[in-house]
Amino acid sequence: VQLMQSGAELKKPGASVRLSCEGSGYTFNFYAIHWVRQAPGQSLEWMGWINPDNGDTKHSRTFQGRVTMTRDTSANRVYLELSGLTSEDTAVYYCARRDKSKLGYGYDVWGQGTTVTVSS
Amino acid sequence: QSALAQPRSVSGSPGQSVTISCTATSSDFGVYNYVSWYQQHPGKAPKLMIYDVNERPSGVPDRFSGSTSGNTASLTISGLQAEDEGDYYCCSFADYIWLFGGGTKVTVL
Repeated sequence: VQLMQSGAELKKPGASVRLSCEGSGYTFNFYAIHWVRQAPGQSLEWMGWINPDNGDTKHSRTFQGRVTMTRDTSANRVYLELSGLTSEDTAVYYCARRDKSKLGYGYDVWGQGTTVTVSS
Repeated sequence: QSALAQPRSVSGSPGQSVTISCTATSSDFGVYNYVSWYQQHPGKAPKLMIYDVNERPSGVPDRFSGSTSGNTASLTISGLQAEDEGDYYCCSFADYIWLFGGGTKVTVL
């Protein structure tokens, strides 16, 4: 069971970035995929989640208007797109799975993380 | 400031016990539910240590335990070992969003 994330990104301020997260070793549609980021030296920050089964999403108000989460069920993959990048978006972005029906189960599988650097 | 407050650091000698608190600080949120705890080593992804307040995933040593009291959740590490050194984060659900605590650095002296 694993989540495999796309490679590191270097973006200029104002640009957008699209990250991917591919699940394997389990029934992909049974678990929601959440996105969590961690700025250098900072805590974890929840961004949002997507239900791969029907595409429903929910995101933190912090990213209102800037975040889009989509999925490709044929490829067991979900995507996070973040627009209007600033230096404050420089962080490691993780995807993690969570049981959709048993919310108490926690994030039991994490991707390896994708480093996004925003710099002019 | 996080809506879940954790001490910045705790420390203990090998074999001792340490407890990390996670306190709900914002009255803007309702009930805090589904508490889980994560361990993170430098440069690595977080690892689930406790879920549903006090349940351990398979493979997590039984020296890790969780509890709650009022608006505070706690993670206790009994019989501290060198490999327990790292950062620990609590996570909870409130008002349809997920929250992480600010993190606690555990140092084994």
